[in-house]
Amino acid sequence: DAKTTQPPSMDCAEGRAANLPCNHSTISGNEYVYWYRQIHSQGPQYIIHGLKNNETNEMASLIITEDRKSSTLILPHATLRDTAVYYCIVRVIAAELMDTGRRALTFGSGTRLQVQP
Amino acid sequence: DVKVTQSSRYLVKRTGEKVFLECVQDMDHENMFWYRQDPGLGLRLIYFSYDVKMKEKGDIPEGYSVSREKKERFSLILESASTNQTSMYLCASTARADNVLTFGAGSRLTVL
Repeated sequence: DAKTTQPPSMDCAEGRAANLPCNHSTISGNEYVYWYRQIHSQGPQYIIHGLKNNETNEMASLIITEDRKSSTLILPHATLRDTAVYYCIVRVIAAELMDTGRRALTFGSGTRLQVQP
Repeated sequence: DVKVTQSSRYLVKRTGEKVFLECVQDMDHENMFWYRQDPGLGLRLIYFSYDVKMKEKGDIPEGYSVSREKKERFSLILESASTNQTSMYLCASTARADNVLTFGAGSRLTVL
């Protein structure tokens, strides 16, 4: 799996857009970008994933650069409840993994987003 | 909604005790995982299972074992708990061809 680099922490004002960057310069053509977040004292929660096109769902938008070497997760109107650690993970889809030993996702240290009132 | 339920939210055990952490999922997922999370170390994979009775070691399996007798249930066992196993334990599941994990709420274990 390609390595990802995220800033350790970020602040955002409540109501403003939170833009969380992720670098994955060694990404391969069949690797997707996944985002999860973990609110304090809870298990991580899936947010969104994409391959090369921008994606949007009810939680967030994912913008992937044309060369796919970086991406940005956008929370359009951050609220205090969005304060969490956000993880960017790059990964081939599980169906392509013939070796079952590689099916587990690896979480890095993520970005701690603090939404300020 | 997919649900992953961990049996205990908080546990306090003594050194040397045998500890069972239970995890049940209700979406017929093939893959189940146990992670532990410690400050500054992030999530680390202990064991995972991709089918009933199948298991594979993760990054830190020492001191742990697992059991998957039924598809919906994945148990983590600490044969003889030690203080360095004080941690938050997180169970997760996913369908076979999927990377979208659903996590439980976590079990915070304290070993005295």
